[in-house]
Amino acid sequence: EVQVVESGGALVHPGGSLRLSCAASGFTSSSYYMSWVRQAPGKGLEWVANINQDGSEIYYVDSVKGRFTISRDTAKNSLYLQMNSLRVEDTAVYYCAKDITWGQGTLVTVSS
Amino acid sequence: DIQMTQSPSTLSASVGDRVTITCRASQSIGSWLAWYQQKPGKAPKVLIYKASILESGVPSRFSGSGSGTEFTLTISSLQPDDFATYYCQQYNSYFGGGTKVEIK
Repeated sequence: EVQVVESGGALVHPGGSLRLSCAASGFTSSSYYMSWVRQAPGKGLEWVANINQDGSEIYYVDSVKGRFTISRDTAKNSLYLQMNSLRVEDTAVYYCAKDITWGQGTLVTVSS
Repeated sequence: DIQMTQSPSTLSASVGDRVTITCRASQSIGSWLAWYQQKPGKAPKVLIYKASILESGVPSRFSGSGSGTEFTLTISSLQPDDFATYYCQQYNSYFGGGTKVEIK
């Protein structure tokens, strides 16, 4: 069964850092575009970042450019999102996605 | 960047109504479009992928059409379980703003 499972969400202070992980199973993640999506409380879905199969093409939504880094580890069949300089407005449930296959999400709360 | 514009943002309808939601891309995306349904407190659920393919287990009253820049999600006969928010998404990229389907 194709599945992705996110982890790493936590409560963090403004300006802090956090790394989210996404473990893929049932498929080889390095063979697919992968992305991160988020949803702030009471808001719509927002695409955050994506990465192509070999990591040579990476794109971010403007609001996270320079602060977030998407990466993948082929050996671990995993995807990551390094989040630095976190802001209150980054508070959201973060989802890992392989095309239309999503995980259940991990909650990131940025608050003092 | 390719932007996705979804309309309407809110839709009031009755059980049994035919409902249509439109999604427009700022440039052609071929058929690389998915439609999701989301209910409060739940993760989004995919309904349609590659613009018109019904995901396994999704009722046949849902259908998708379109290609290029204009896409449509149709619910042929709205059921009580269908009151939710719907989103379109270019694969691995931007979403439309969402359409909340409310009870009239």
